[in-house]
Amino acid sequence: GAGVSQSPSNKVTEKGKDVELRCDPISGHTALYWYRQSLGQGLEFLIYFQGNSAPDKSGLPSDRFSAERTGGSVSTLTIQRTQQEDSAVYLCASTKGGQGTTFFGQGTRLTVV
Amino acid sequence: GNSVTQMEGPVTLSEEAFLTINCTYTATGYPSLFWYVQYPGEGLQLLLKATKADDKGSNKGFEATYRKETTSFHLEKGSVQVSDSAVYFCALSDLGGSNYKLTFGKGTLLTVNP
Repeated sequence: GAGVSQSPSNKVTEKGKDVELRCDPISGHTALYWYRQSLGQGLEFLIYFQGNSAPDKSGLPSDRFSAERTGGSVSTLTIQRTQQEDSAVYLCASTKGGQGTTFFGQGTRLTVV
Repeated sequence: GNSVTQMEGPVTLSEEAFLTINCTYTATGYPSLFWYVQYPGEGLQLLLKATKADDKGSNKGFEATYRKETTSFHLEKGSVQVSDSAVYFCALSDLGGSNYKLTFGKGTLLTVNP
C-alpha cells in the first residue's frame, strides 16, 4: 500500500479482555516495528521484525504482550488480559532496509476501561 | 543504554520568531540522529536526520547539526509559521545490524500564534 496502515484506529475494551491490533506495512518493507506512545512514558519501542522473525522483543512490557508477522507482511500485536495501564496509542512502523527512512502508521488508540 | 533528553515545553511562539528545541543524547555507539514531527491528527513523520558527526540535517527551513563533542542535536528554525505547530520528537538509532529501532525523547509541543 501507499503507507503503513493500522486497524482499528480506535479500540475501547474492558479490563481483562484480549485485543488484537493489526499493521499492514509498506509493500516491500522487510523491517517492521511496534512502538507504544503513552502520556507518562512517551514513545517506547516494543518489538522488531525482520521478515517473519523477531530478533528483538526487548521492549515488550510483559508476557501478556505478543506479536507475530506472517508472509513478511502483515503483523498482529496481541495484548491478553488487558489492564488500564495498557491504554496508549500503539504505532507500527516499517523500513525498507539499510538506512532507509522509517515510516509510521497513524496508530491504534487503545482505551481499557 | 541509549537515551534522549529534549526540552519538554510546551513552547509558544509568535509567527516569524526563532525556534530552538534542545536535544541531547546518550548512546553506546555512533548513532544516527533524527527529528520527527507529529502534526495534529496525523502520524509521525521524519523531519530531518544526520548520520555522522558534524552532519547537518535540514528540511522545510528546519536545521539540526550532529555535535558529537556535546552529544547534541538541537533543532532550529529561523522564522516559524502557524503551520509548524506540532509535537517534535528527537530520536536516535544505533546501527545494530539491520535493526534500526528508535529511542525517542518525550516530545516538545510547539504552538505558533499568528
